[in-house]
Amino acid sequence: EPEVTQTPSHQVTQMGQEVILRCVPISNHLYFYWYRQILGQKVEFLVSFYNNEISEKSEIFDDQFSVERPDGSNFTLKIRSTKLEDSAMYFCASSPTGTGDGYTFGSGTRLTVV
Amino acid sequence: DAKTTQPPSMDCAEGRAANLPCNHSTISGNEYVYWYRQIHSQGPQYIIHGLKNNETNEMASLIITEDRKSSTLILPHATLRDTAVYYCIVGDPYTGTASKLTFGTGTRLQVTL
Repeated sequence: EPEVTQTPSHQVTQMGQEVILRCVPISNHLYFYWYRQILGQKVEFLVSFYNNEISEKSEIFDDQFSVERPDGSNFTLKIRSTKLEDSAMYFCASSPTGTGDGYTFGSGTRLTVV
Repeated sequence: DAKTTQPPSMDCAEGRAANLPCNHSTISGNEYVYWYRQIHSQGPQYIIHGLKNNETNEMASLIITEDRKSSTLILPHATLRDTAVYYCIVGDPYTGTASKLTFGTGTRLQVTL
């Protein structure tokens, strides 16, 4: 069964450093997403991406965040200057239709900011 | 603004059916009901979705009441591997509100021997 692959599985970074979280969505999917989950809290939507541009973003997704699809397979989330409160599990997801069903999520990257 | 209400936790014996309720009394005409689950700290996993008819797939059945104000996810023969947090989500795929899944706190299902 096709999978969404995320790397690294765990990243530790110092406050103020830039991090890039990487995702390889399912190859024939057209819609891509990033979500995050702070330990013990809800899964929160960050951003959706379609046709090489952001289609929607949440209030969390401020100027410190950016997404990119640099080639035909990778989808990245960059945090420019990490804060302690950015510590969370970050999930990438992809979907063929963007209609709410059949989203495939990756296993996540646990980001720890120290 | 919560669009769905779910019990925080439920228990189910292995081999028995797990019936997980969801209240969505303010659901609008074009909004679908989606169910996802999250096993431990893994990424959420899609289970099933529906508009007004009952739906069944290899994982589960979804029963939506005639007035669409509530639904029940049924795992017919729960196993230990079904222990997870189950999320009921509503959204309209035609206006885009379904595109960004809005997760609530869900129901933590514990399947026991």
